[in-house]
Amino acid sequence: QVQLQESGPGLVKPSQTLSLTCTVSGASINSVDYYWSWIRQHPGKGLEWIGYISNSGNTYYNASLESRVIISTDTSKNQFSLKLSSMTAADSAMYYCARYRVTILGVVFFDHWGQGILVTVSS
Amino acid sequence: EIVLTQSPGTLSLSPGERATLSCRASQTVDGTYLAWYQQKPGQAPRLLIFGATTRATGIPERFSGSGSGTDFTLTISRLEPEDFAVYYCQHYDNSPFFGPGTKVDTK
Repeated sequence: QVQLQESGPGLVKPSQTLSLTCTVSGASINSVDYYWSWIRQHPGKGLEWIGYISNSGNTYYNASLESRVIISTDTSKNQFSLKLSSMTAADSAMYYCARYRVTILGVVFFDHWGQGILVTVSS
Repeated sequence: EIVLTQSPGTLSLSPGERATLSCRASQTVDGTYLAWYQQKPGQAPRLLIFGATTRATGIPERFSGSGSGTDFTLTISRLEPEDFAVYYCQHYDNSPFFGPGTKVDTK
């Protein structure tokens, strides 16, 4: 059974860098059919894709966040991570990690999600 | 830039009723990339439908997806108490993006 679990600080000071880790079990982040993703959701709002990383290490980011985002993997631990710099109150949100399935036919979707971690930016 | 619009914003229905949720794209899109998710309060989204019409593993048959071009629909044939939630459509256009969601609540 595939499971994803986010970990990291729930409170970050303005201007600091957020660092979150997603630990994957039941699947390998080296799998060729999946991208490993971060998505956030502001309180009471919709879903915003942050970015993802492929099994080969290629990264793709939301253009609106690209200058501040780094997604990386640690294959030895079957984990992937998010770093979001220059945090402001506007970055306070629930952060989810998710697996993005890419099929041979080009069908794409997020098929497994972590439970989410609430991040608040405050001094 | 493609934008997804979901309607209605809120759908108030009773258990046993049929729910019809709309997801409209600002231009013609490939249904291959169209997915639907359900999100209950305090939970992560759950994949319901991918490729516009294919139910994900374990999703009950009362959930069905249809549509093409610019108009896509998620139908819940008979609402169960556990179906009251927010539903998002999602597409891909060089990157994934989501619609604003439709909340299905109890009348």
